[in-house]
Amino acid sequence: AQTVTQSQPEMSVQEAETVTLSCTYDTSESDYYLFWYKQPPSRQMILVIRQEAYKQQNATENRFSVNFQKAAKSFSLKISDSQLGDAAMYFCAYRRGGAQKLVFGQGTRLTINP
Amino acid sequence: GAVVSQHPSWVICKSGTSVKIECRSLDFQATTMFWYRQFPKQSLMLMATSNEGSKATYEQGVEKDKFLINHASLTLSTLTVTSAHPEDSSFYICSARDRTGALNIQYFGAGTRLSVL
Repeated sequence: AQTVTQSQPEMSVQEAETVTLSCTYDTSESDYYLFWYKQPPSRQMILVIRQEAYKQQNATENRFSVNFQKAAKSFSLKISDSQLGDAAMYFCAYRRGGAQKLVFGQGTRLTINP
Repeated sequence: GAVVSQHPSWVICKSGTSVKIECRSLDFQATTMFWYRQFPKQSLMLMATSNEGSKATYEQGVEKDKFLINHASLTLSTLTVTSAHPEDSSFYICSARDRTGALNIQYFGAGTRLSVL
């Protein structure tokens, strides 16, 4: 069974600084997708960024980028120029190609210090 | 982006009563919707996958007679917690998959906080 591990229960960063959240996953599949979701205090899950396993290029969305290391099964999220609104729980998720279910990691609570 | 509406956002009920939670995809059709449960400070636990026009698929350990799921249309799925008890108190979240979108992304509702007295 596929598993997703986020080894950092909590992280904090100064406003305007850069922070990296870690995620590793375990799978024997070659076709899969990886996601980072954000859950702010409102608890609305918001998709931050998405990566297809077949793509070598790391996904980027404005201040958010990933470091996808397929051989190492690592998928970290980098947030640049951190803003107060970035404070939230961040969940890494995996989906096997052709499947419907998402497998979530345990989450990392990110605090932004003003 | 796609919007998923979940209602109610918060419900308080007496032990032994049933509660229905609605999940609607507002601007897209969703053949598949998902129901999750989230305990405080924990991750999302998938309860069941709801397919339009067919029976839901429940995850291991989830009582299908306790958590009734109906997905009667391409835009609506409901979760009914039957004979609710205090241990059912939790945060329930639905998501919907855009069947037409090439990205095959799940969009989430804002969740429902259930408190059983």
